Amino acid sequence: EPEVTQTPSHQVTQMGQEVILRCVPISNHLYFYWYRQILGQKVEFLVSFYNNEISEKSEIFDDQFSVERPDGSNFTLKIRSTKLEDSAMYFCATSRAISGGHNEQFFGPGTRLTVL
Amino acid sequence: KNEVEQSPQNLTAQEGEFITINCSYSVGISALHWLQQHPGGGIVSLFMLSSGKKKHGRLIATINIQEKHSSLHITASHPRDSAVYTCAVRSSGGSNYKLTFGKGTLLTVNP
Repeated sequence: EPEVTQTPSHQVTQMGQEVILRCVPISNHLYFYWYRQILGQKVEFLVSFYNNEISEKSEIFDDQFSVERPDGSNFTLKIRSTKLEDSAMYFCATSRAISGGHNEQFFGPGTRLTVL
Repeated sequence: KNEVEQSPQNLTAQEGEFITINCSYSVGISALHWLQQHPGGGIVSLFMLSSGKKKHGRLIATINIQEKHSSLHITASHPRDSAVYTCAVRSSGGSNYKLTFGKGTLLTVNP
């Protein structure tokens, strides 16, 4: 069964460093999302991406964050200058559509980001 | 803003018991997801509902759109069902993209 994959599974970085989290969507999916979960808290929406554009973003997704799909397969989340409070589990999700029968989001296994 | 509330926050059961986890939300939705997450693990989608009831194995999910309420039931619970169960909704107005999550229910099933 097709699945969303994410790399790395765990990333440790120093405060102020740039990190790039990678996601490989399910092949016929067109909508891509990033969510994060700070330890002990609920999952929060960061951004959605369709047709090479951000379609929606939350207030968390400030200028330190960016997303792109550089090569038509990977979907990446970049944090330019990491802060301690960016430490969280980051989940990628993808869906085939946003309405109708194919709007279910499928999640990757997550990347645990630790900022020291 | 859509608020998603779950109850209970924590639930401990004996193997074989019937489990119910509840989810209520504050605004109209186009879909509701039930998700499972094992400690330190990824998110697995169990169901996506927009009306009625769905069943998969020992899991049953129901939704009442008028009452803005959904339940997840587990029949004949087993220790391997121990996980965090979360509901997440997609609002019907405005955003078609994001899911808003509840805080999750930690289920522990003892043998």
